[in-house]
Amino acid sequence: DVKVTQSSRYLVKRTGEKVFLECVQDMDHENMFWYRQDPGLGLRLIYFSYDVKMKEKGDIPEGYSVSREKKERFSLILESASTNQTSMYLCASSSNRVLQYTFGSGTRLTVV
Amino acid sequence: EDQVTQSPEALRLQEGESSSLNCSYTVSGLRGLFWYRQDPGKGPEFLFTLYSAGEEKEKERLKATLTKKESFLHITAPKPEDSATYLCAVQAPGTYKYIFGTGTRLKVLA
Repeated sequence: DVKVTQSSRYLVKRTGEKVFLECVQDMDHENMFWYRQDPGLGLRLIYFSYDVKMKEKGDIPEGYSVSREKKERFSLILESASTNQTSMYLCASSSNRVLQYTFGSGTRLTVV
Repeated sequence: EDQVTQSPEALRLQEGESSSLNCSYTVSGLRGLFWYRQDPGKGPEFLFTLYSAGEEKEKERLKATLTKKESFLHITAPKPEDSATYLCAVQAPGTYKYIFGTGTRLKVLA
């Protein structure tokens, strides 16, 4: 069964901490995405990557960075966590041949 | 501006009461329209991809249809286990990014 695995389901961090969210896919997909999901705002794209070491800003990249050193792994970094980054974070991947995304289970991040 | 609007925001149905969810879109060209189901606290799960007007896809009690401006997700004789948020997304040509709607929260009562 194909999978996108996010390293943590729940995470609590303090304001100002550097936070790493990890995502691994086992489908050899070229494209990987990080979204955040907030009530009433839907899913908003933070960053995406269409190849190893490549990254592009999404709609809300401020306060975040990403890393893709290997094809299967895409990391989201909160450089200095703030309370307004409390959210559900979703990782997804897709191939260039099949358009649909496969999502991970999500990480519920709380910044206190 | 490319946009996806879903309606209604929330829907309560009695078990067996069929209904439809709407997804209206404006995008310059359409590479694909996607329906996902999302249970609370979980990631979205893929349901359907539609590529061109007139196309229909079915899975159990769900049927998705597509016109040039909107898509419908028809739910026939729903059961309580169909309760979830249903998300619609579109993909424009030349990009792998989706534009998501904000979803319809469906509650089916026994």
